[in-house]
Amino acid sequence: NAGVMQNPRHLVRRRGQEARLRCSPMKGHSHVYWYRQLPEEGLKFMVYLQKENIIDESGMPKERFSAEFPKEGPSILRIQQVVRGDSAAYFCASSPSPAGGSIYTQYFGPGTRLTVL
Amino acid sequence: AQSVSQHNHHVILSEAASLELGCNYSYGGTVNLFWYVQYPGQHLQLLLKYFSGDPLVKGIKGFEAEFIKSKFSFNLRKPSVQWSDTAEYFCAVKWAAGNKLTFGGGTRVLVKP
Repeated sequence: NAGVMQNPRHLVRRRGQEARLRCSPMKGHSHVYWYRQLPEEGLKFMVYLQKENIIDESGMPKERFSAEFPKEGPSILRIQQVVRGDSAAYFCASSPSPAGGSIYTQYFGPGTRLTVL
Repeated sequence: AQSVSQHNHHVILSEAASLELGCNYSYGGTVNLFWYVQYPGQHLQLLLKYFSGDPLVKGIKGFEAEFIKSKFSFNLRKPSVQWSDTAEYFCAVKWAAGNKLTFGGGTRVLVKP
């Protein structure tokens, strides 16, 4: 039973380029969460999505960042016109039941390490 | 704002020593509590979780954690560590009113052989 898959594992971009990070949830999971881990910091929530819906994007920067989880295919976190401050590890997690329920667990992928030159 | 704090950023200890990592969270109602571990070069793995019931929770690899509601704490313990426990440990909280996990800053544990 495959876990949460993320690709690429490492991504290098120059300032001004676009970064696309992909996340495939565990089989049977329809809820996806993105977190960012800046150097020497803990993980910070960015966005929570269900298929074709953004449920909570309270942690997303207002500009340049967007996320989607289409009906078919992986969830995508897109960062336009990257800057050096975007360098971080981006983790995706998935869960099997509605986040509003009292019993759920998020399972994490291996992360994508983005380096902006 | 809801927050989670881990008291120690770095812990160094020898094999067979006991480990206790502190985690406190801010008040905000009903919570679900988690400890995750990140071994070098690997992704976050769930060590244990608390939803309700017995406040002493046992997880994988000999870890346990105790939920003390009056202290808003969820400390992680292991009686006797091994070199393979070298990792970064994260406490995380989900408040009932929200969807997301709020993480502490992490504690890096180095176990010397």
